Amino acid sequence: AQTVTQSQPEMSVQEAETVTLSCTYDTSENNYYLFWYKQPPSRQMILVIRQEAYKQQNATENRFSVNFQKAAKSFSLKISDSQLGDTAMYFCAFMNWGGSEKLVFGKGTKLTVNP
Amino acid sequence: EPEVTQTPSHQVTQMGQEVILRCVPISNHLYFYWYRQILGQKVEFLVSFYNNEISEKSEIFDDQFSVERPDGSNFTLKIRSTKLEDSAMYFCASSDRTSGYNEQFFGPGTRLTVL
Repeated sequence: AQTVTQSQPEMSVQEAETVTLSCTYDTSENNYYLFWYKQPPSRQMILVIRQEAYKQQNATENRFSVNFQKAAKSFSLKISDSQLGDTAMYFCAFMNWGGSEKLVFGKGTKLTVNP
Repeated sequence: EPEVTQTPSHQVTQMGQEVILRCVPISNHLYFYWYRQILGQKVEFLVSFYNNEISEKSEIFDDQFSVERPDGSNFTLKIRSTKLEDSAMYFCASSDRTSGYNEQFFGPGTRLTVL
């Protein structure tokens, strides 16, 4: 079974600075997807960024980028130029490719951006 | 922008009572999911549903749980006889799977408290 581990329960960063959230996972599959979801306080989870395991190039979405290390089974999220609106819970998640539709989540990292 | 909605936002019930949690998926989506998050723990997959059938369920989803799409818009999760350990946030998600991967859009959740 797949597992996802987020080792940082809480993090904080100053506005405009850069922060990296860690995620490791365990799977025997070769093809899969990895996701970072953001959950602002009292609001729904929204997808921040995704990575297909077969792609070597790291995904980027504006200020959000990932460092995907397939051999190390590591998938960290870097947020550049942090903004107050980035304050949220961040969940790392895994999904098999072409098989089970379920997302397997980590426990989340609570990120606070300070003014 | 279309969103997944869930009602109620908070449900308090007595142990042994039946509860129904309601979700309205995004209108053109055909794949539906329930997840739950016990306080301080991971978001866990419960069940996926497509074409009026359960397509996958976790070991958590025992005979106490059922899902239904009673009409063209609602998707419900019923817990027949609630236990204290059912207290959790319950998230509904939906997907259209027309993209190359299965992006799931989440609702804001229902907080279930069993007393």
